[in-house]
Amino acid sequence: GAGVSQSPSNKVTEKGKDVELRCDPISGHTALYWYRQRLGQGLEFLIYFQGNSAPDKSGLPSDRFSAERTGESVSTLTIQRTQQEDSAVYLCASSRGQARGYTFGSGTRLTVV
Amino acid sequence: AQKVTQAQTEISVVEKEDVTLDCVYETRDTTYYLFWYKQPPSGELVFLIRRNSFDEQNEISGRYSWNFQKSTSSFNFTITASQVVDSAVYFCALSEVDQFYFGTGTSLTVIP
Repeated sequence: GAGVSQSPSNKVTEKGKDVELRCDPISGHTALYWYRQRLGQGLEFLIYFQGNSAPDKSGLPSDRFSAERTGESVSTLTIQRTQQEDSAVYLCASSRGQARGYTFGSGTRLTVV
Repeated sequence: AQKVTQAQTEISVVEKEDVTLDCVYETRDTTYYLFWYKQPPSGELVFLIRRNSFDEQNEISGRYSWNFQKSTSSFNFTITASQVVDSAVYFCALSEVDQFYFGTGTSLTVIP
């Protein structure tokens, strides 16, 4: 596709359930980021994938959070045993390289009730 | 330490006023890139500009202009003759070789 696609666009889940968020980057984009944005807050870095290198997981807030990416394709962000503080918009961005700028998806709005 | 600092959390201006959004960054890299993104109420992030560390020329695009000064590590963004549609959160970002950093954003409200 022409842009970064994220699904679902909205997700409401019960506290304690697991959720999986998906990001389809632009074809050919080697770099992929996940960010979290709580209501009224800035962008919080979660994880960074670059090609086949080991991902930078330094931003993951707890061991309930994990992410995978197969090669330079789809990435999934999994949150286990969701808590109310996990409610946020989760944004994915991809890039062909440092100089090329980053294209963001429209985000997944997660609400934990 | 914060790599990208946007000290202004919220700004309100009256329509047609000029407004400058400040961005100060910190890096030890000699090659880096700076970005501004706009996030309107709908939530998507819209790319506005990219500037590399070797190009200190100011840039003007319509009502938007950017002032990049390496001496003060600043990359400020000015909107001239602001309009209600400019109301959004604006994020400044820094791209080093292996990491991408966002500021906390400045929420701009343009009052009609």
